[in-house]
Amino acid sequence: AQSVTQPDIHITVSEGASLELRCNYSYGATPYLFWYVQSPGQGLQLLLKYFSGDTLVQGIKGFEAEFKRSQSSFNLRKPSVHWSDAAEYFCAVGDTGGFKTIFGAGTRLFVKA
Amino acid sequence: DAGVTQSPTHLIKTRGQQVTLRCSPKSGHDTVSWYQQALGQGPQFIFQYYEEEERQRGNFPDRFSGHQFPNYSSELNVNALLLGDSALYLCASSTGPPLGELFFGEGSRLTVL
Repeated sequence: AQSVTQPDIHITVSEGASLELRCNYSYGATPYLFWYVQSPGQGLQLLLKYFSGDTLVQGIKGFEAEFKRSQSSFNLRKPSVHWSDAAEYFCAVGDTGGFKTIFGAGTRLFVKA
Repeated sequence: DAGVTQSPTHLIKTRGQQVTLRCSPKSGHDTVSWYQQALGQGPQFIFQYYEEEERQRGNFPDRFSGHQFPNYSSELNVNALLLGDSALYLCASSTGPPLGELFFGEGSRLTVL
């Protein structure tokens, strides 16, 4: 069965520092992978997605993620965090049948001045 | 171009009651998925509707049911409410397989007393 693990429940980063959020997935074939962000009281917004091709994908707001098949990982990175990046981040895997997307439990990002 | 809209935004019910939540998908989208997000957790897939049919269902009891209308809008119904049904209910629309980006509404916050 498909599953997504986000090992870090919360992370605190200083403004201007780099960020890496971890994600591991379980899926039998090449997955569709996503990162979404959720600000308090809001719905989810797509940051980036991986379907195939280049394993380093660029997203909005300066985020990028790297697909590593050998490690079943899809970690999210940003070189310099801004205070406005404080939010909940969800990694997700979509089944290639097109029916559902499975989400991880999320990582809450705190940004300190 | 309106995004995904959900109503109501907040509601309070008591145990045993029934609730109906509504969703209008993003223009051009024909597929609607419903998710339940309990406090501090990631969204859990309830079911997906396409061409007015339930295409796939997550691990939710039959108390959860839905409907999709010819204009692609959708309803989520929950009967015999339990305290554990308290959550943010998210509607997401997409353009159908192959699975692509989900566009989320801001959700309906249900509190069951």
